[in-house]
Amino acid sequence: GAVVSQHPSWVICKSGTSVKIECRSLDFQATTMFWYRQFPKQSLMLMATSNEGSKATYEQGVEKDKFLINHASLTLSTLTVTSAHPEDSSFYICSARDPLVSQHFGDGTRLSIL
Amino acid sequence: DAKTTQPTSMDCAEGRAANLPCNHSTISGNEYVYWYRQIHSQGPQYIIHGLKNNETNEMASLIITEDRKSSTLILPHATLRDTAVYYCIVRVEDSGYALNFGKGTSLLVTP
Repeated sequence: GAVVSQHPSWVICKSGTSVKIECRSLDFQATTMFWYRQFPKQSLMLMATSNEGSKATYEQGVEKDKFLINHASLTLSTLTVTSAHPEDSSFYICSARDPLVSQHFGDGTRLSIL
Repeated sequence: DAKTTQPTSMDCAEGRAANLPCNHSTISGNEYVYWYRQIHSQGPQYIIHGLKNNETNEMASLIITEDRKSSTLILPHATLRDTAVYYCIVRVEDSGYALNFGKGTSLLVTP
């Protein structure tokens, strides 16, 4: 079946640094990818929709200058958390939409900011 | 997408059937019922979806009431690995938009 790879799966870094998370569709081309965030004991919340070759669409309340999204190819989207602070600690999950418009999820990235 | 209501949590003994209910009284005629689950610290996993007929696959069965206002996901022989949060989502089939996850039902399968 369709596979989405997300990397890294776990990262700890100091406050103020930037962290890049990659989301790759391994066996299909994804013109659209989605980025979600999930805080402990809460549900997934959509952060942004990433379209290949164009600017991402951010949900209300998500700072586009803080969460930089790049979707430069049909198999890769990246989310960069800039100047990360402890409140950005969360579980970040991507999904990719295949040509049949089904969505496939990565296994998530647990981000901890000290 | 229509709103769904699910119990917060449920328990099920290993080997027994797990029946997870979902209410979606405002569902529209062209909206499907989708079920996903999320095992701890993993991404969501698609289980099954249906419009009005009952559906079955290798993972589960989906029973939708005749008026389509509610449905039940059935895991016929629950195992410990089925412990997860189960999300019922109502949406137009493969609309291409992001999924709107509610709070889901936390299912605990016990030995």
